[in-house]
Amino acid sequence: RKEVEQDPGPFNVPEGATVAFNCTYSNSASQSFFWYRQDCRKEPKLLMSVYSSGNEDGRFTAQLNRASQYISLLIRDSKLSDSATYLCVVRARGSARQLTFGSGTQLTVLP
Amino acid sequence: GAVVSQHPSWVICKSGTSVKIECRSLDFQATTMFWYRQFPKQSLMLMATSNEGSKATYEQGVEKDKFLINHASLTLSTLTVTSAHPEDSSFYICSAWGEGSGNTIYFGEGSWLTVV
Repeated sequence: RKEVEQDPGPFNVPEGATVAFNCTYSNSASQSFFWYRQDCRKEPKLLMSVYSSGNEDGRFTAQLNRASQYISLLIRDSKLSDSATYLCVVRARGSARQLTFGSGTQLTVLP
Repeated sequence: GAVVSQHPSWVICKSGTSVKIECRSLDFQATTMFWYRQFPKQSLMLMATSNEGSKATYEQGVEKDKFLINHASLTLSTLTVTSAHPEDSSFYICSAWGEGSGNTIYFGEGSWLTVV
């Protein structure tokens, strides 16, 4: 079983749609959680950290359920520029800051 | 903000030759650097973790004699792919963390390696 599993995708949605991505992690010692965005042939870029209480950054909302080891990302009012691959990323306690990446979910926002 | 620079961005080499990829932290001291590999449509896979001045710690299945990592200074780590073969063609990317980067791990721009 993969340490971090994500929706397989791809997701093709019209502009303005709301889309949700899910992610589960297997290591209960995971301490920090993130969503990264990766554009084609580019490096991943941090989209947002995920906190236990849930957090929002503009059109993006992230939630964490430690009991279920589940992370989600909600994108509201999708823009064409949101088209990218979204990576669920976790870091375990005491892991010397190593990040474990999910395989990513591809999103295409259509005009 | 902190910046990690990776070079070269693209490289094509002949099978059997060696290729060196550099990763530099430009405005913070990178105590720890990570090297990842990403094949098309797959996730980033950690290859090794290097701490400045120490030998790199390689992940299971990664040949340390093939992928030589040097982290001799707080601003530079290098990955050398020795005796490259076509199956080594991939996207190689580094990330770095250290004093001055806050609690954030920063990624280099990545290097596309094609072995022909």
